[in-house]
Amino acid sequence: SQTIHQWPATLVQPVGSPLSLECTVEGTSNPNLYWYRQAAGRGLQLLFYSVGIGQISSEVPQNLSASRPQDRQFILSSKKLLLSDSGFYLCAWSWGRGTTEAFFGQGTRLTVV
Amino acid sequence: TQLLEQSPQFLSIQEGENLTVYCNSSSVFSSLQWYRQEPGEGPVLLVTVVTGGEVKKLKRLTFQFGDARKDSSLHITAAQPGDTGLYLCAGQKYTDKLIFGTGTRLQVFP
Repeated sequence: SQTIHQWPATLVQPVGSPLSLECTVEGTSNPNLYWYRQAAGRGLQLLFYSVGIGQISSEVPQNLSASRPQDRQFILSSKKLLLSDSGFYLCAWSWGRGTTEAFFGQGTRLTVV
Repeated sequence: TQLLEQSPQFLSIQEGENLTVYCNSSSVFSSLQWYRQEPGEGPVLLVTVVTGGEVKKLKRLTFQFGDARKDSSLHITAAQPGDTGLYLCAGQKYTDKLIFGTGTRLQVFP
């Protein structure tokens, strides 16, 4: 069976500090990978989307970046966090072909202080 | 750019009432999904609809995909406190990325 791991669960970081959130998927190969950000009680904003190693689509201009160094590893990074980067970050995977559901990690609650 | 608008944004009802949540877009999607999310967790899929006009039922929940595949609705009959949560629609264009709606927060009081 497939599983997705996302860590850490919570993070408090000062403004201007770097960020690295990691997500790994087990039990499947060549998944589509996503990073979403969610404001409290609202919908999910797509940040990055990847269909393969080294292939990253950025959906929103921002000071965040994403990388996919391995097939089942997706990393969200920032060199210098802003207060506006606070939020709930969700990693998800889906099958690479056809109509498919997204499977989500448990999320990371990031607070920039 | 938010392509999928949900209404209402918030819904607070008594147990036993019926409700409908709408998901609208100006874009055509090859499929549309509905998810439910609990606080502090990731969304979990409820249903996927792929054919224009398609209706799917999941116990007391009825999902419909619009004929033009631009909109969808979720109807809950006799809501229960266990239905409380954030409901999200999500659209996909063939094998493209999954775009989520703005969300509807439902609170059902006993």
